Amino acid sequence: EPEVTQTPSHQVTQMGQEVILRCVPISNHLYFYWYRQILGQKVEFLVSFYNNEISEKSEIFDDQFSVERPDGSNFTLKIRSTKLEDSAMYFCASNAGSSSYEQYFGPGTRLTVT
Amino acid sequence: RKEVEQDPGPFNVPEGATVAFNCTYSNSASQSFFWYRQDCRKEPKLLMSVYSSGNEDGRFTAQLNRASQYISLLIRDSKLSDSATYLCVVNEDQFYFGTGTSLTVIP
Repeated sequence: EPEVTQTPSHQVTQMGQEVILRCVPISNHLYFYWYRQILGQKVEFLVSFYNNEISEKSEIFDDQFSVERPDGSNFTLKIRSTKLEDSAMYFCASNAGSSSYEQYFGPGTRLTVT
Repeated sequence: RKEVEQDPGPFNVPEGATVAFNCTYSNSASQSFFWYRQDCRKEPKLLMSVYSSGNEDGRFTAQLNRASQYISLLIRDSKLSDSATYLCVVNEDQFYFGTGTSLTVIP
C-alpha cells in the first residue's frame, strides 16, 4: 500500500540553525501539506501546496518557514533560525485531489531545538 | 475562536461496550469532515470521512448534523485495539483539528 514517508525521523538542532525536513508524498497525489504538533497539543495546519505553489497557509507559517518541491517526488519544509518553541512533531500529508480531501499522513519528524 | 471542539475525555470503557464521541465546529461554511485516530506519538490515521447522510464502516458509524454543526462517531463492540485518541477534523480553507478524545478500552 503506498504511503507517505518522511526523513529524518528525529532531528536535533541548536537554536538559530536552519533545518530541512523531507517528505515523499504518495506518488499520484496532487496536494501536499505540512502540520506540526507540539507535545500534548493538537495538530496544527501549517501550509498546503498544489501545482508547485502554496495554496493556503496558517498564521504560524511566517517568513521563518518555506516549502519546496525540488523534484517530482520530494516535498520539503525549511525552518530558518530555529527557536526553542519550534520543537514539535512535523507531519507531512498528501491527498489525491479531485473530489477527495482525505489526507494520508507520514510518520512525522520529531524536531528538537536545544 | 476554537474552530473544532471535542471533549478530551478520557473515556475508559470495557471491551464490548459502545462509545460515542461528539465534535462541534464553528464555521457553517465548512466543507468536509473526517475522523482520524492517533496512537501515542504516531501520525494521525484516517478512520473515515463523514457524510451528511451518515456512513458506516464495520463497527464505526459517523454522522454529520450541519444544522447543529456537530459530528459524531459511534464505536460498537469496542476492542482493546480501539484504544487511541480520536481526532475530529474539519475542512474550510484549511484543515482544523480538534484536540482529540482519548479512549481506553479495558479488558
